[in-house]
Amino acid sequence: DVKVTQSSRYLVKRTGEKVFLECVQDMDHENMFWYRQDPGLGLRLIYFSYDVKMKEKGDIPEGYSVSREKKERFSLILESASTNQTSMYLCASSFLGGLSFYNEQFFGPGTRLTVL
Amino acid sequence: AQTVTQSQPEMSVQEAETVTLSCTYDTSESDYYLFWYKQPPSRQMILVIRQEAYKQQNATENRFSVNFQKAAKSFSLKISDSQLGDAAMYFCAYRNNDMRFGAGTRLTVKP
Repeated sequence: DVKVTQSSRYLVKRTGEKVFLECVQDMDHENMFWYRQDPGLGLRLIYFSYDVKMKEKGDIPEGYSVSREKKERFSLILESASTNQTSMYLCASSFLGGLSFYNEQFFGPGTRLTVL
Repeated sequence: AQTVTQSQPEMSVQEAETVTLSCTYDTSESDYYLFWYKQPPSRQMILVIRQEAYKQQNATENRFSVNFQKAAKSFSLKISDSQLGDAAMYFCAYRNNDMRFGAGTRLTVKP
């Protein structure tokens, strides 16, 4: 079974803090994604990566950065957390080969981040 | 930009009955992919079913089937013989170069 794990289920931070959210997948997937999930808005893509050290902006990259130093690990960084970044953050991974856009995304359990 | 609309924030169904969740999308592309994902309470999101836009035949996976109407840009999910375990948030998603999700439909299954 594919397993996508996220470093924390719940996280509480203060405004202005630097926050790291870690995601690890164990299926050698090339693609990795970070989404935020908000009620009434569904999932919105923050960043994705299709290879080590590669990254692409999604719909809402402002206030976020990412790091992918190893294939299995994709980190989301909030440089200076703000209250409007309080949300559920979901990581996902998928296989690049074949019909890449058709491939299933496997999701982690999510990190519920609260910024006070 | 492509958008995905799920017009039903909440739906309920009696156990063993059939329910249909609606999804429409907006795109100028001809080739793309559509997905339904399920997010059970406090559990990880999983793929339910997917459809390639160039295939006219509707996808089916056991009790789950879709009604794909390309001209109408509609991609509804039908759940037959609903079970208590089907209770979840359901997200419709579109993929071409980017990936877009709808706002979700919360499905309640009544015993």
